[in-house]
Amino acid sequence: DGGITQSPKYLFRKEGQNVTLSCEQNLNHDAMYWYRQDPGQGLRLIYYSQIVNDFQKGDIAEGYSVSREKKESFPLTVTSAQKNPTAFYLCASRPTGAKGYTFGSGTRLTVV
Amino acid sequence: DQQVKQNSPSLSVQEGRISILNCDYTNSMFDYFLWYKKYPAEGPTFLISISSIKDKNEDGRFTVFLNKSAKHLSLHIVPSQPGDSAVYFCAASAKVGSGGGADGLTFGKGTHLIIQP
Repeated sequence: DGGITQSPKYLFRKEGQNVTLSCEQNLNHDAMYWYRQDPGQGLRLIYYSQIVNDFQKGDIAEGYSVSREKKESFPLTVTSAQKNPTAFYLCASRPTGAKGYTFGSGTRLTVV
Repeated sequence: DQQVKQNSPSLSVQEGRISILNCDYTNSMFDYFLWYKKYPAEGPTFLISISSIKDKNEDGRFTVFLNKSAKHLSLHIVPSQPGDSAVYFCAASAKVGSGGGADGLTFGKGTHLIIQP
C-alpha cells in the first residue's frame, strides 16, 4: 500500500538535545512538507521541498533543519535552538500538478 | 496576516441535523479550496475540494459551496453523524506562478465540530 509514514509516533526529548523526526513516502510524490500543529494555531509550515536536494523555509523555520537526499525521505531535525518544540508535527507530500496533500499520521514531540 | 480564516473555533450540532462550517479568505489569487478532517493524534485526511470555476461540489453527505465575490466558502454535512466529530481545516491553493512562496496550501486554524447524540 502506498502511503506516508512518520516515526516515531511519540517522542520525548530533554532540553538542549537535538532530535530527528522521520518522514518516508512511497507515493512517488515530488513535493514534501513539514507542518507543526499547536492548539488553536492550525497548521503552520516549517519547511518544504519540491525536488530532491532542494528545500525552502516556511513560515516558522527557526530552530529546525531538514534534508532531502532522496525523493522518498524528508527528515526534520528539531534543534536545541527551537524555543518551544513541544508540538504535534505533520509531514505531507504532493505530486507535481496536484493541489491536495497526503498527510502522515504525525509525531507528538514532548520536551521534558 | 491570516489569508484563510475559520472564525469559529468550535461548533456543536445535534446528530441528524445539518453542520455548516465556514471559511473566509483574503487572497484573490486562491483558485482551489479543500477541506480536511482531522481526528486527535492523527494526520488530516482529505474530505472534499472545489475549484474556483465552480460554486458547488457535492460528495455524499458533504457539500462545499464557494462564493467568490464574498471570498467565502462553507462545508455542509447532512445528516451529521457521531463519526463526524473532528477538527475541520479549510485550505486554499494559489494559481501557479502567482508567487508567495510555498506553492502549496494555506490552512485555516480549524473548527472543532462536536456532534451531540
